[in-house]
Amino acid sequence: EAQVTQNPRYLITVTGKKLTVTCSQNMNHEYMSWYRQDPGLGLRQIYYSMNVEVTDKGDVPEGYKVSRKEKRNFPLILESPSPNQTSLYFCASSLNSPETQYFGPGTRLLVL
Amino acid sequence: GESVGLHLPTLSVQEGDNSIINCAYSNSASDYFIWYKQESGKGPQFIIDIRSNMDKRQGQRVTVLLNKTVKHLSLQIAATQPGDSAVYFCAENPRGGYKLIFGSGTRLLVRP
Repeated sequence: EAQVTQNPRYLITVTGKKLTVTCSQNMNHEYMSWYRQDPGLGLRQIYYSMNVEVTDKGDVPEGYKVSRKEKRNFPLILESPSPNQTSLYFCASSLNSPETQYFGPGTRLLVL
Repeated sequence: GESVGLHLPTLSVQEGDNSIINCAYSNSASDYFIWYKQESGKGPQFIIDIRSNMDKRQGQRVTVLLNKTVKHLSLQIAATQPGDSAVYFCAENPRGGYKLIFGSGTRLLVRP
């Protein structure tokens, strides 16, 4: 089944404790992206990647890192999480452009 | 499930009626537009898209209309069903850009 998977689905952590949210797609897509979703603000892009080893900042990249060492995986790294990073995170992928992105199920993060 | 918005505009329709969800986009240079549906606890799901060289595009029970003069996009759902209850997002891709810009969403409630 073609899909985007994220892990974990739910995570509670404390300020400053490094964490990684994994994202994987099995559709051989070149474009991958991370979004955060907050009430009243909609979906905001954090980082995106056009292909392996090619990443760029979205609208809200501060406090986040990403890597794209292989086509199928695009992990989101929070080196020192803070409470304002409490949010619902979505990974998405598409064939070779931001059009028609397929979204993962989401990761709910709570930073205490 | 995860909440996607505490103060979203809400459209309430009777089952079987037609629904019209509106969206104003911001960038006159955008040449690709897309509608997503997000059910509670799930990631956004692609519904239909349209390019700026078109005014109308139809899918199964859904129609998207594009008015470039006033930068307005609408999604029409025919014979609305309970399964259509969700939050609907429009998104735009500025020409040559590498990201989608999402609207804040509209909640559709279908009354039985």
